[in-house]
Formats: sequence, structure tokens, C-alpha cells
Amino acid sequence: SQQGEEDPQALSIQEGENATMNCSYKTSINNLQWYRQNSGRGLVHLILIRSNEREKHSGRLRVTLDTSKKSSSLLITASRAADTASYFCATDVDQFYFGTGTSLTVIP
Amino acid sequence: EPEVTQTPSHQVTQMGQEVILRCVPISNHLYFYWYRQILGQKVEFLVSFYNNEISEKSEIFDDQFSVERPDGSNFTLKIRSTKLEDSAMYFCASSKGGPRSGANVLTFGAGSRLTVL
Repeated sequence: SQQGEEDPQALSIQEGENATMNCSYKTSINNLQWYRQNSGRGLVHLILIRSNEREKHSGRLRVTLDTSKKSSSLLITASRAADTASYFCATDVDQFYFGTGTSLTVIP
Repeated sequence: EPEVTQTPSHQVTQMGQEVILRCVPISNHLYFYWYRQILGQKVEFLVSFYNNEISEKSEIFDDQFSVERPDGSNFTLKIRSTKLEDSAMYFCASSKGGPRSGANVLTFGAGSRLTVL
């Protein structure tokens, strides 16, 4: 399977703290993306990092990619209660494959 | 902002019945997808569709399932004889380009919750 695996499965932090989620995948990729899913809703694209990039920023989001280790991390800085959601990484090889997700709870 | 719309939002059906889930992708997107998520678990790829034909399908997408683009706007997923284990959230998504053609992102619909009794 091409699917990624997010780690941890669940994460609970206090508002204002940083949240770090990791994604590991199995094969070479073209790009890696992170998506967010609020409870019972569809996934929303957050950020895309190309295979030749090592780090990318978007607002409070920072994504890193290590193709040698086949891993990526998503850092959300200064978390807010509204960041409570599930976060998925997605790899694109033959298709867009999603990981198992990290459930983030930000406690006000 | 353009949206992917899905109907119905929730459908309850009896085991063995046929179900059709409908999606209207974003108008200038060329690739269409169906994903399935069982009760907050992983998001599983079912099928991708391009140029009026299936471009790829997973092992989940067996003969029970079919997809169709009956007109210029709708994209449907048909489940012929539903089973209890088909109960899930079904998401439609679309993208301008495919996974092999550059940095394309998926736009998802809000999902159709299917409950099979």
C-alpha cells in the first residue's frame, strides 16, 4: 500500500502550545500534502510540499520533508481551540493516498 | 470559492438495496475521485475517473461498485447490493490534474453518510 502513517494517532495539547504530527510513507513520491478534517466534514487542503523541497511555511503551519527517511512533519504553532481536527498526510504516486490521520485536540 | 457538492448528505438503506451517491465536481476540474471513511478511521481510496473512464481503482472497488458521469456536471457512485460493511462516509473529490501531472490538490465534498441496516 502507498498509504502514509501518521504519528501520533491522537494528540491533546493546551491552547498556545505547538503541535507536531509526523507522517511516514513507503515509496518515492512527487509531492506530499497535508489535509485537515473537522469532525464529520470533508478534508480541506492545507499545504503541499514538493519532493525537491525540504521545508515550507504557510501562516502558522510549517511542513518538513525528508525523502531519504520517507517522512514528513506538520508543525502548528501557537495552537488554537479551532485547530481541533484530524490531520492527514497524502502522497501522490499513482493516486492520492491518505494516511490514518492524527486527531488533534486543543484544550482552551 | 468553487465547491464540490454531494447529495444526499445522509442515506439510510436496507441491506441488499441499491444506492446512488451523487457529486457535482468543480466545473474546470478534470479528475474525479471517490473515497470512503468508516467511522472516523482512515480515508480509503476507491476509484479515480478521468476522460470518462476509470483511471484507477482499489481492491475495495469490486463489482458491487460502479461510477458514471451521466452528464457534463454529475459524477455518481452506485453500490448495487449494499452490505452492512458498506456503512461509511463517502467523499467525492476533484482536481484539475492527476497525481502524476504536477502539484495538484484535491477539493473534497462534505460527504454522504451511508447507513446500511
